[in-house]
Amino acid sequence: GENVEQHPSTLSVQEGDSAVIKCTYSDSASNYFPWYKQELGKRPQLIIDIRSNVGEKKDQRIAVTLNKTAKHFSLHITETQPEDSAVYFCAAGGWDSGYALNFGKGTSLLVTP
Amino acid sequence: DAGVIQSPRHEVTEMGQEVTLRCKPISGHDYLFWYRQTMMRGLELLIYFNNNVPIDDSGMPEDRFSAKMPNASFSTLKIQPSEPRDSAVYFCASSPTGGSYNSPLHFGNGTRLTVT
Repeated sequence: GENVEQHPSTLSVQEGDSAVIKCTYSDSASNYFPWYKQELGKRPQLIIDIRSNVGEKKDQRIAVTLNKTAKHFSLHITETQPEDSAVYFCAAGGWDSGYALNFGKGTSLLVTP
Repeated sequence: DAGVIQSPRHEVTEMGQEVTLRCKPISGHDYLFWYRQTMMRGLELLIYFNNNVPIDDSGMPEDRFSAKMPNASFSTLKIQPSEPRDSAVYFCASSPTGGSYNSPLHFGNGTRLTVT
């Protein structure tokens, strides 16, 4: 089955700096790579996603890049703000599994003022 | 839309007792997923359904765990008997028909289970 590795497990940045979270996956059949943000005590919520026919996608301060050959993808947050502090999860899945996603272990991001 | 609805939000029970968690997916979503979240193991997929039919239950940890989806608007996850190591947050999620670009998972608010 799919195995998703995520690094780092914790990340602390100063407000205004950039944050980068990296993930690798094992199943070459995976073609859908979403990122979820989970605030303390709340549910995971989708922030951005990318498919394997796209190399990069951007939405305001958030961008995701995908290297299908190397089987890794990354989340980039620019101009970080304190409200970006949360746990971020990467995931991988495919249409043939009904998008049953396999998640990384999460990255706890702390943005300090 | 009210989103994915889970109940109860919190459950505290004693070891050996039966626990039933409930989920109502978003109307029109054909896929329903049960995940378990712990600090040690992160978000683990337990089982998922397509059109009320269980497709993959390989993530169900033991025979003590069972899940059903009797109709398109309701699913249960049952643990019998419960053990302290089952303590976790259990999330239900749903998504529209697979294969569509715009079909991410929509999570419920979760059930925090504590087994003493």
